[in-house]
Amino acid sequence: GESVGLHLPTLSVQEGDNSIINCAYSNSASDYFIWYKQESGKGPQFIIDIRSNMDKRQGQRVTVLLNKTVKHLSLQIAATQPGDSAVYFCAENPPRYKLSFGAGTTVTVRA
Amino acid sequence: NAGVTQTPKFQVLKTGQSMTLQCAQDMNHNSMYWYRQDPGMGLRLIYYSASEGTTDKGEVPNGYNVSRLNKREFSLRLESAAPSQTSVYFCASSEREGPNEQYFGPGTRLTVT
Repeated sequence: GESVGLHLPTLSVQEGDNSIINCAYSNSASDYFIWYKQESGKGPQFIIDIRSNMDKRQGQRVTVLLNKTVKHLSLQIAATQPGDSAVYFCAENPPRYKLSFGAGTTVTVRA
Repeated sequence: NAGVTQTPKFQVLKTGQSMTLQCAQDMNHNSMYWYRQDPGMGLRLIYYSASEGTTDKGEVPNGYNVSRLNKREFSLRLESAAPSQTSVYFCASSEREGPNEQYFGPGTRLTVT
């Protein structure tokens, strides 16, 4: 079964607002997490990653937060733009295993 | 620098036919992967190659075979296609095995009738 899941399958966001995409993971031993963006008809594209020795990591307009206590990961997108409309996947990497992907959240940006 | 390339982009097969999906990367990566993606599901690992000369099964290997032809190329073969193999197939590569970023190709959309 799925070892990584997202709380909501869809998210609708007003252009210019901040988006928050949540993800629950199941393996407390996972030491690496990654977010991917997938646009329609394309392959997943790396957004940001974080290792378990960190709680927060920032990129360009994106922030990933990791809460190991409750096994929760979130991706925050600042000032959401139409080009941010896509499916977002989180993935976890337990030691000695391969990346395990969640089912994804579809983000739609309203103009 | 093309990254990860896959051929073909689309393919329709009849049940029982065979075909090979091709994947190549030009980033000098050691590890390569094959995933399938079905509606409403995340990516599931079929096979991977940690380094040139090695291949291992992933989560859903049944009905597939792979070949790591050289460091650049990793192919996926369906010997006798079944409708359950209708899916979108993605190849990915990473610098090394273990927790690090994987770079994905554009995918092959396969339909088995």
